[in-house]
Amino acid sequence: DVVMTQTPLSLSVTPGQPASISCKSSQGLLHSDGNTYFYWYLQKPGQSPQLLIYEVSGRFSGVPDRFSGSGSGTDFTLKISRVETEDVGIYYCMQATHLPFTFGPGTKVDIK
Amino acid sequence: EMQLVESGGGLVQPGGPLRLSCAASGFTFSSVWMSWVRQAPGKGLELVANINQDGNTKYHVDSVKGRFTISRDNDRNSLYLQMNSLRVEDTAVYYCAKFMSRAYDVWGQGTMVTVSS
Repeated sequence: DVVMTQTPLSLSVTPGQPASISCKSSQGLLHSDGNTYFYWYLQKPGQSPQLLIYEVSGRFSGVPDRFSGSGSGTDFTLKISRVETEDVGIYYCMQATHLPFTFGPGTKVDIK
Repeated sequence: EMQLVESGGGLVQPGGPLRLSCAASGFTFSSVWMSWVRQAPGKGLELVANINQDGNTKYHVDSVKGRFTISRDNDRNSLYLQMNSLRVEDTAVYYCAKFMSRAYDVWGQGTMVTVSS
């Protein structure tokens, strides 16, 4: 199975400041069809996960433009340009190139 | 509004069965892949099973293979997970999720399954 590793595992951010989360996969995520099936999800406290970023850098419907994704191969990054209080929660990366699809352990983001 | 509502969770003894259901609305259920994803208490997310649009293609993660079965009824806009031979380690919140272009774009609120004697 593809192992997803996230750093850091926790992050405390001052509102208005930037934040960055890294995710590395144990295998390359470029599919034979040319797509890279890599995603970011946010699980806010007490809620179900919600899709933020699809296929590395696509912002899902309704996701603020302060969220951006980048990367390729085995190394990916989620950036929040200016953290807001509503951004607290656990951020998970996920790969869907190789079965079974696997998630990272999560990065807990809270506000200072 | 697209919505998924799970039901059927509860407390079950080890070795027992349980059937989860997920009612879908607000989208064309028969046109999309669907999945079950679980989250053990205080832990991360784990894919349990996927099923394609007509139910003829299914994938179950190794840890549940032979014990769990995903299925769907497109006439009833419903997804199911039949869980047999439950183990303590199956204790988790089970989410129903719509699977589109390999992303889980709509999630239910989850249903808690507790396996304990």
